Amino acid sequence: AQSVTQLDSQVPVFEEAPVELRCNYSSSVSVYLFWYVQYPNQGLQLLLKYLSGSTLVESINGFEAEFNKSQTSFHLRKPSVHISDTAEYFCAVSNDYKLSFGAGTTVTVRA
Amino acid sequence: DTGVSQDPRHKITKRGQNVTFRCDPISEHNRLYWYRQTLGQGPEFLTYFQNEAQLEKSRLLSDRFSAERPKGSFSTLEIQRTEQGDSAMYLCASSEGGNEQFFGPGTRLTVL
Repeated sequence: AQSVTQLDSQVPVFEEAPVELRCNYSSSVSVYLFWYVQYPNQGLQLLLKYLSGSTLVESINGFEAEFNKSQTSFHLRKPSVHISDTAEYFCAVSNDYKLSFGAGTTVTVRA
Repeated sequence: DTGVSQDPRHKITKRGQNVTFRCDPISEHNRLYWYRQTLGQGPEFLTYFQNEAQLEKSRLLSDRFSAERPKGSFSTLEIQRTEQGDSAMYLCASSEGGNEQFFGPGTRLTVL
């Protein structure tokens, strides 16, 4: 069995400030880890993924996440957010076919 | 290719009625998945297909729910005798094997 816990349900942040979204997972086998983003009234989009190799993964829009096996974490960070980053963010773990999602973290960026 | 599409985008129905949703995956993808998302929660896995074969069904998928993927192309999800607790966003995703899952925009079901 696998599960994901997102430790923050709401994260308000000012524009150009850093943000960190915390994600912890549990699984009895090796896993793949993902962050998905859902903008208002849109579908889920893959933000970044960890499959193997380097534990630090980056997205094209400035987000990064670090896989920490000993702490079973996959926290998401961005050093400077924009208004357009306002969205809901979901951490997910996969065992090949089934994605198990956390409850989500709503990020609200204010000017 | 325009990605995963779902129809309808919104469905309002009365309790006890049957509803059917359609998902068209990305054309070369052999896997298709259905998830359900309720307010304030992340998506929950319902079922998935490899080509036309339904390989796993979640315990969330009661006997009122049935999914098909004839010929390994589009898929339908039918809910019979809808209940208010069925109100949710139903998401479809597709992938090429075990690679990244691409999600559709979802069908929002409201059961009155």
